[in-house]
Amino acid sequence: EAQVTQNPRYLITVTGKKLTVTCSQNMNHEYMSWYRQDPGLGLRQIYYSMNVEVTDKGDVPEGYKVSRKEKRNFPLILESPSPNQTSLYFCASSLSGSFYGYTFGSGTRLTVV
Amino acid sequence: GQSLEQPSEVTAVEGAIVQINCTYQTSGFYGLSWYQQHDGGAPTFLSYNALDGLEETGRFSSFLSRSDSYGYLLLQELQMKDSASYFCAAPDTGGFKTIFGAGTRLFVKA
Repeated sequence: EAQVTQNPRYLITVTGKKLTVTCSQNMNHEYMSWYRQDPGLGLRQIYYSMNVEVTDKGDVPEGYKVSRKEKRNFPLILESPSPNQTSLYFCASSLSGSFYGYTFGSGTRLTVV
Repeated sequence: GQSLEQPSEVTAVEGAIVQINCTYQTSGFYGLSWYQQHDGGAPTFLSYNALDGLEETGRFSSFLSRSDSYGYLLLQELQMKDSASYFCAAPDTGGFKTIFGAGTRLFVKA
């Protein structure tokens, strides 16, 4: 089944404790992206990757890091999480860039206390 | 900056037709996408309009007018399961980032 897999689904952590949210896709998509979703703000893009070793900032990259060492994986790293990073996070992939529909992962609900 | 505006809420009756509008401001424009998201779920892709006109997929249709910087999603024969949030989205000027509207919450009443 074609899918984007995110883990974990739920995470509660403390301020400053580094964490990684994993994302993997099995569709051989070149383009992958991370979004955060907050009430009333829709989906805001954090980082995206056009291909292996090619990443760039989205609209809200502060406090996040990403890497794309393999085509299928695109982890999101929070080096020192803060409460304002409490949010619902989605990983997404597409065949090629923004012009094709995204396939989204199931989401990760992160709470930073 | 670039932005997409859509109504925050729309309510309609089961069996009816509803239209969800999206107006956009982008310095470059490549097309408009629509996504559906049920509570607690992930967004799912519905349609993409690169050219002006109407695209139909079953009960859902999407329309784009580049001259008016406007598009809409049309849902026909509404069902209770259509109650969800609907987002319009567009690539940014360079085509590498995607901007989403804040979403329209659709309530379908019996």
